[in-house]
Amino acid sequence: DSGVTQTPKHLITATGQRVTLRCSPRSGDLSVYWYQQSLDQGLQFLIQYYNGEERAKGNILERFSAQQFPDLHSELNLSSLELGDSALYFCASDLAGGGEQFFGPGTRLTVL
Amino acid sequence: SQQGEEDPQALSIQEGENATMNCSYKTSINNLQWYRQNSGRGLVHLILIRSNEREKHSGRLRVTLDTSKKSSSLLITASRAADTASYFCATDNNAGNMLTFGGGTRLMVKP
Repeated sequence: DSGVTQTPKHLITATGQRVTLRCSPRSGDLSVYWYQQSLDQGLQFLIQYYNGEERAKGNILERFSAQQFPDLHSELNLSSLELGDSALYFCASDLAGGGEQFFGPGTRLTVL
Repeated sequence: SQQGEEDPQALSIQEGENATMNCSYKTSINNLQWYRQNSGRGLVHLILIRSNEREKHSGRLRVTLDTSKKSSSLLITASRAADTASYFCATDNNAGNMLTFGGGTRLMVKP
């Protein structure tokens, strides 16, 4: 158990819908990262937050957004969902960046 | 786009044999990490090697790093059926935050 929790575990929704994925980092970690894992794109970095502020952005679509709250949990919002958004979404955390990241169990999103 | 490429993409060996996976990357790095993923589950950190290190050991794992060739290898000695998983190398950017993952090597260890 990495100490990072993600909810929900599975999510099935329809095209055009909007969903919110939630992540709670390990106790004491200030950085939260979001990654997407799909068969065609592999594991891709989406976005990083550090202590409530966006720190780095990767291949995140404009339809996607994220935020980190004062209690350090983070949410990833995916809107106008398309079939191609079906993937595993992982959250990871670390203290400040530059070392080992601790991954949550992931949320499997299926868009029908 | 992926920074690293793992080689081979898939590897099947017998229990007790050694497994070697290779990773190549494109840009300069602060460190390189190896992660393991059991089917459809979260990634587990295995080992981190810094850019000024050439070799690192952790239990049955041995990692090498050649920054001149921009490559790394992960050796698992005396493999066990429980080592069956996908293995990914990941490099950080110069800011030391985002990780860029390779495509992974799927390792199967037959009992």
